[in-house]
Amino acid sequence: DGGITQSPKYLFRKEGQNVTLSCEQNLNHDAMYWYRQDPGQGLRLIYYSQIVNDFQKGDIAEGYSVSREKKESFPLTVTSAQKNPTAFYLCASSDPGEVYEQYFGPGTRLTVT
Amino acid sequence: EDKVVQSPLSLVVHEGDTVTLNCSYEVTNFRSLLWYKQEKKAPTFLFMLTSSGIEKKSGRLSSILDKKELFSILNITATQTGDSAIYLCASFTSGTYKYIFGTGTRLKVLA
Repeated sequence: DGGITQSPKYLFRKEGQNVTLSCEQNLNHDAMYWYRQDPGQGLRLIYYSQIVNDFQKGDIAEGYSVSREKKESFPLTVTSAQKNPTAFYLCASSDPGEVYEQYFGPGTRLTVT
Repeated sequence: EDKVVQSPLSLVVHEGDTVTLNCSYEVTNFRSLLWYKQEKKAPTFLFMLTSSGIEKKSGRLSSILDKKELFSILNITATQTGDSAIYLCASFTSGTYKYIFGTGTRLKVLA
């Protein structure tokens, strides 16, 4: 089955700790994305990557970091510098060819107290 | 600055009603407009529109794009309680390969 997996589904952390969210895809897509969603809000772009070993900041990159060492994987680290990290995090991928549909993982709900 | 604006922000209707959700966009290098349905988890894909005036249809849902006026609408006829969700639209821009999302329309369908 092709798709995107994110783990864990729920994550709890104490303030001041860094935490890494996993995102893996087996769709052979070049582009991968991380979004943050707050209650009652749309999706805001954190980081995106069009190709391995390259990534760009989105609209709200401060306090986050990513890596793209493999095509299949795009982990997101929420650092202690992120002022309000509690949110729902969604990973997505797309194939920037003729069809631009974006596929989403199931999401990780992060709670920081 | 690129932006996507959805209206209304929320909507409450009764089963059987028809609803129209609006999405306007101002983006550079526009390539396509996408609609998603989100029910407490990851968004699920509904439609992708690239050409003006061509309606996409799936059951009771349909959508159309107007590239001259820079907007799209999503219609849902004979609404059911299962249609209750947040409906998101997003524009895809070529060159940067970014998707810009609107804030969504929260639809609640009452039995």
